[in-house]
Amino acid sequence: GAVVSQHPSWVICKSGTSVKIECRSLDFQATTMFWYRQFPKQSLMLMATSNEGSKATYEQGVEKDKFLINHASLTLSTLTVTSAHPEDSSFYICSATSASYPNEQFFGPGTRLTVL
Amino acid sequence: AQSVTQPDIHITVSEGASLELRCNYSYGATPYLFWYVQSPGQGLQLLLKYFSGDTLVQGIKGFEAEFKRSQSSFNLRKPSVHWSDAAEYFCAVGANTGTASKLTFGTGTRLQVTL
Repeated sequence: GAVVSQHPSWVICKSGTSVKIECRSLDFQATTMFWYRQFPKQSLMLMATSNEGSKATYEQGVEKDKFLINHASLTLSTLTVTSAHPEDSSFYICSATSASYPNEQFFGPGTRLTVL
Repeated sequence: AQSVTQPDIHITVSEGASLELRCNYSYGATPYLFWYVQSPGQGLQLLLKYFSGDTLVQGIKGFEAEFKRSQSSFNLRKPSVHWSDAAEYFCAVGANTGTASKLTFGTGTRLQVTL
């Protein structure tokens, strides 16, 4: 149980285009979802926290207009990188918690974004 | 604010040797502590976690960790390393609030296993 999926697993796009990444909880209702980014050989940095039906809370330094997060249902959150640039190339990982296990995050497999 | 320090960026051990990865945390109360493993290009896999109770925690793949409040540490150990253990290991701390809280990760320790 507690499986989280991400789609796509990798994506290549041209500079200036927008890319949407989906994060789904497959067998539980995710009351809270988190989005992280990870640069090569670095740790995970939290970008934002989203609760179902509410606006996301962004970490300091993360542009909310560039990284649009939608958590419209208890099983799906999306991260849209708008007007992507090469510096946005990174590994994006989502995680989700449930009401039953609020202090344990279940991680998705990650999405590799490459912006040309 | 919570923080995590993993002092060792890179560790190399021989297959069959014992392993200890260090983790020190900073948090005002009793934290929730986690160890994750990440293979290249993959997501995170939870090895073990500490919330409360017995300070020696057993995890998957033969790993264990010990919570030492006096030293603010949560070191990961394995008595005999296998070549398949080569990966990146992250220690993380979360707030003990009873509700969903964000995790703060350490910078990671890359484990290399020699045959």
